[in-house]
Amino acid sequence: QSVLTQPPSASGTPGQRVTISCSGSSSNIGSIYVYWYQQLPGTAPKLLIYRNNQRPSGVPDRFSGSKSGTSASLAISGLRSEDEADYYCAAWDDSLSGYVFGTGTKVTVL
Amino acid sequence: QVQLQESGPRLVKPSETLSLTCSVSGGSISSYSWTWLRQPAGKGLEWIGRIYISGSTNYNPSLKSRLTMSLDTSKNQFSLKLTAVTAADTAVYYCARDGGVWGIDYWGQGTLVTVSS
Repeated sequence: QSVLTQPPSASGTPGQRVTISCSGSSSNIGSIYVYWYQQLPGTAPKLLIYRNNQRPSGVPDRFSGSKSGTSASLAISGLRSEDEADYYCAAWDDSLSGYVFGTGTKVTVL
Repeated sequence: QVQLQESGPRLVKPSETLSLTCSVSGGSISSYSWTWLRQPAGKGLEWIGRIYISGSTNYNPSLKSRLTMSLDTSKNQFSLKLTAVTAADTAVYYCARDGGVWGIDYWGQGTLVTVSS
């Protein structure tokens, strides 16, 4: 049961900027950090963004995260073919005392 | 570099118990918290639960009544037991390190567990 809502798909041509939204509530995104994970086809998810807008070592600066109120966004600038993947937002939910994930967004590079 | 590897039966009969172990290398299990997640084929990620180094746990409320997680620091492993499984529990199961505010930062490759008679 996904508590965070994302658009099912997003697409762009190489070099374009793509933005993915993530909508939550005051018990999750509104009260704590948001995380983003990238899942390439057939592989385990990979941490892409932590604490709303921080990139782990090795993640290109083409990826950026932001948060406002109970929503968050992931932006991919300078889109590349290797960015084709599923992207998930996530956050701790105080009401559930558990980690919740978004519904996932499939990014296609046209 | 921290590495995680899931192990356990790939096929479990309905109503029986699903048991998985995660072996951690490249770092001590006595630091950080450790988590299990799953992903049914073609669907999104679901957080199953987290175990702290103290042994205390947080479980997904929807699974809590069937779930037990444990740590074995002597083997640098942690484990998952899910009882009374049904076909709805068929999924790829991932173990991972929970870095707290730094996110779930290291993942196992995942293992497909099928519930079927």
